[in-house]
Amino acid sequence: GNSVTQMEGPVTLSEEAFLTINCTYTATGYPSLFWYVQYPGEGLQLLLKATKADDKGSNKGFEATYRKETTSFHLEKGSVQVSDSAVYFCALSPQTGANNLFFGTGTRLTVIP
Amino acid sequence: GAVVSQHPSRVICKSGTSVKIECRSLDFQATTMFWYRQFPKKSLMLMATSNEGSKATYEQGVEKDKFLINHASLTLSTLTVTSAHPEDSSFYICSARASGISEQYFGPGTRLTVT
Repeated sequence: GNSVTQMEGPVTLSEEAFLTINCTYTATGYPSLFWYVQYPGEGLQLLLKATKADDKGSNKGFEATYRKETTSFHLEKGSVQVSDSAVYFCALSPQTGANNLFFGTGTRLTVIP
Repeated sequence: GAVVSQHPSRVICKSGTSVKIECRSLDFQATTMFWYRQFPKKSLMLMATSNEGSKATYEQGVEKDKFLINHASLTLSTLTVTSAHPEDSSFYICSARASGISEQYFGPGTRLTVT
């Protein structure tokens, strides 16, 4: 079946610290992988995505690499800011363009000045 | 652009009553809308997919007679929780997708509490 496991939070970091949020997946076939971010009071927004093995998605200083050998898609940022405080969701779609999105439980990140 | 709103953001209702949640795409035409449910500390689970003007497709295990979905226009879908019970208390999130676009745009969610 299809499922996503991501590290539980909450995660609290000081400004300019390095961020890693782990995400591993189980899927049949060749899924596309996503990171979504939800800022307080807003809907989920697509942060980055990767559609095939070894692809690196990047946006706003965040990066994640699609690792088929370890079935992982860890989110990283070299230097977090207070404005990065949000809930981050890892997700997969079993195939490109498919309706189904399978989400992880979300990881709340708080960045303190 | 690509903003999706939900109304209400929070609702409390008594057991046995029905509750309607609206999902609107504010600046684009949403040919497809999705309804998700999120339990505390759990993933978002897709409940159903609706295409404008046709019946919704429900995921396995979701009661179509309990969760009524209407997608009567290209900018509005509604989810009605009928005869609500405390176990229906949850966070309901909608998303919308335009024709020919794979990305889904999410609403901020509606927290339903059934007492």
